[in-house]
Amino acid sequence: NAGVTQTPKFQVLKTGQSMTLQCAQDMNHEYMSWYRQDPGMGLRLIHYSVGAGITDQGEVPNGYNVSRSTTEDFPLRLLSAAPSQTSVYFCASSSPRQLQNTEAFFGQGTRLTVV
Amino acid sequence: AQKITQTQPGMFVQEKEAVTLDCTYDTSDPSYGLFWYKQPSSGEMIFLIYQGSYDQQNATEGRYSLNFQKARKSANLVISASQLGDSAMYFCAMREGSRNTDKLIFGTGTRLQVFP
Repeated sequence: NAGVTQTPKFQVLKTGQSMTLQCAQDMNHEYMSWYRQDPGMGLRLIHYSVGAGITDQGEVPNGYNVSRSTTEDFPLRLLSAAPSQTSVYFCASSSPRQLQNTEAFFGQGTRLTVV
Repeated sequence: AQKITQTQPGMFVQEKEAVTLDCTYDTSDPSYGLFWYKQPSSGEMIFLIYQGSYDQQNATEGRYSLNFQKARKSANLVISASQLGDSAMYFCAMREGSRNTDKLIFGTGTRLQVFP
């Protein structure tokens, strides 16, 4: 049971570099989300998707792009990394049935450092 | 806009004692769900318990129970008989009922430390 798989687990980038954080789920979940976790601020929603081809912005979308071409994958792209994007990133997925009572399943997280 | 507030940055509890972690929320949607997650030092997010806005009874899952007071918009987590392994960050979260969004919003968390 793979669940939600994020890669890589750790990454160091230089300011201005671009990269893509990968997220894949094998539970056929329609809903997928990206969060960032910073000390003292909990998890903040970056972008989310309610199905293939549909994405929307969360609380802190600036500097990040997403796309959802398949149900399984929801990559997060940093176009030009900045030190303020140093954080731990979590991908999550959930089933749409009885939406409000469906727990979100989280990946293991990606620890990103931008120098 | 939906909002989750956790006012306790840190809590201490002695092993085998009970502890309550506070969570208040704000939403205008009559249909919503409240969740608690545990994040140990290893970093993963572990789902603990769920409470629906229309549920008549407080949710319970083993040593975890949710003290749901709808009129006060509070959803406190109660951990009974604390164990050393309960030491972790605890996050309260809320999802509103609209099918067109997946906005699971989190509070800032409470760090619980259980001492012998």
